[in-house]
Amino acid sequence: EAGVTQFPSHSVIEKGQTVTLRCDPISGHDNLYWYRRVMGKEIKFLLHFVKESKQDESGMPNNRFLAERTGGTYSTLKVQPAELEDSGVYFCASSQASGSSYEQYFGPGTRLTVT
Amino acid sequence: AQRVTQPEKLLSVFKGAPVELKCNYSYSGSPELFWYVQYSRQRLQLLLRHISRESIKGFTADLNKGETSFHLKKPFAQEEDSAMYYCALGSMGRRALTFGSGTRLQVQP
Repeated sequence: EAGVTQFPSHSVIEKGQTVTLRCDPISGHDNLYWYRRVMGKEIKFLLHFVKESKQDESGMPNNRFLAERTGGTYSTLKVQPAELEDSGVYFCASSQASGSSYEQYFGPGTRLTVT
Repeated sequence: AQRVTQPEKLLSVFKGAPVELKCNYSYSGSPELFWYVQYSRQRLQLLLRHISRESIKGFTADLNKGETSFHLKKPFAQEEDSAMYYCALGSMGRRALTFGSGTRLQVQP
């Protein structure tokens, strides 16, 4: 079974540009999460989808970040316009609707560098 | 507010030595604690969770609510244990995980 996939693996953009990250969860997983790790800091929660609905977006840093999950399958996270402090590794995770609430399966991450 | 503290950024031990990676948490409700591990060039993966009370790859962790700790232990470290270890806190009603800053474990031959 394929795990969580993320695209691209690495993105380098200039300040002010737009970047869109994509996450494909494990098939059948209703829960999808976005996290990020800024250099030297801990992994921080951004938001949580249940199917296509945003269940919890309390971790979104500001309105430059827009997450979508149309159709309840893959998700995108758009940063527009990107700032230097947005650099970091963005992780996506997914989990089943039932069973252990917190057995989240992580993707490999997208490393975003804003110059 | 929830918080997870891992006081050591780096822990270096020799093969065969005991290992203890420290984790303390702050949470007013009933916590669920996890250890995630990231080996070199691999993705973050769940190592163990406190509700399972199981031993994975020789690692164990006991939740101590009095000391608000969830330290990860292994009696005899192996070189393949070298990795980044993250302690994470979950809470009732909210599936988001709160992570500590991580501890890099280096097991030397």
